Amino acid sequence: DTVLTQSPALAVSPGERVTISCRASESVSTLMHWYQQKPGQQPTLLIYLASNLESGVPARFSGSGSGTDFTLTIDPVEADDTATYYCQQSWNDPLTFGSGTKLEIK
Amino acid sequence: EVQLVETGGGLVQPGKSLKLTCATSGFTFSNAWMHWVRQSPEKQLEWVAQIKAKSNNYATYYAESVKGRFTISRDDSKSSVYLQMNSLKEEDTAIYYCTWGTMGITMAFDYWGQGVMVTVSS
Repeated sequence: DTVLTQSPALAVSPGERVTISCRASESVSTLMHWYQQKPGQQPTLLIYLASNLESGVPARFSGSGSGTDFTLTIDPVEADDTATYYCQQSWNDPLTFGSGTKLEIK
Repeated sequence: EVQLVETGGGLVQPGKSLKLTCATSGFTFSNAWMHWVRQSPEKQLEWVAQIKAKSNNYATYYAESVKGRFTISRDDSKSSVYLQMNSLKEEDTAIYYCTWGTMGITMAFDYWGQGVMVTVSS
């Protein structure tokens, strides 16, 4: 299975720029997607196909990457962005998710 | 408005069975490829199963961890998808989400249910 590696946690101040990384154990082309999950809620799609902003998601969120290295950027960060962020690949079977990056806003 | 509502969760002993239902509305269910994704108590997300549409012969796919124990099915007349879980193990304990992606083969999930908790414990 394709393993997606994310750093476990980040802490930033409001107004700063934050990058969350996701590294795949093998190429996933650009079939990488990003989700936000707040406590007690289901995940919500932020970015699909590596760099496409899901409808209704603020333009503060952006994604980049291809192959094995991907990045989710939030600029500027707001207090409401406190959440866990997951990457998911759909190039290789089975679909797999990263273990999540917990973002704390100081 | 698209809605996905899961029911059927609960506490079950190891080795027993449970059937989850996901009732949907707000989109053309018969054309949709539906999935179940679960989230462990450690918050790890894991894809569980997929069922394609009638035009794809209702093809089904499973994670290795559940293959032979879980069965995904659908009833287009009820706009519902099901997950029959047999021979449950403690490691099946998780929140189970019904999901759907409008972008078809990209397999990005833009709609999720609220989830249903399944606890496997003696």
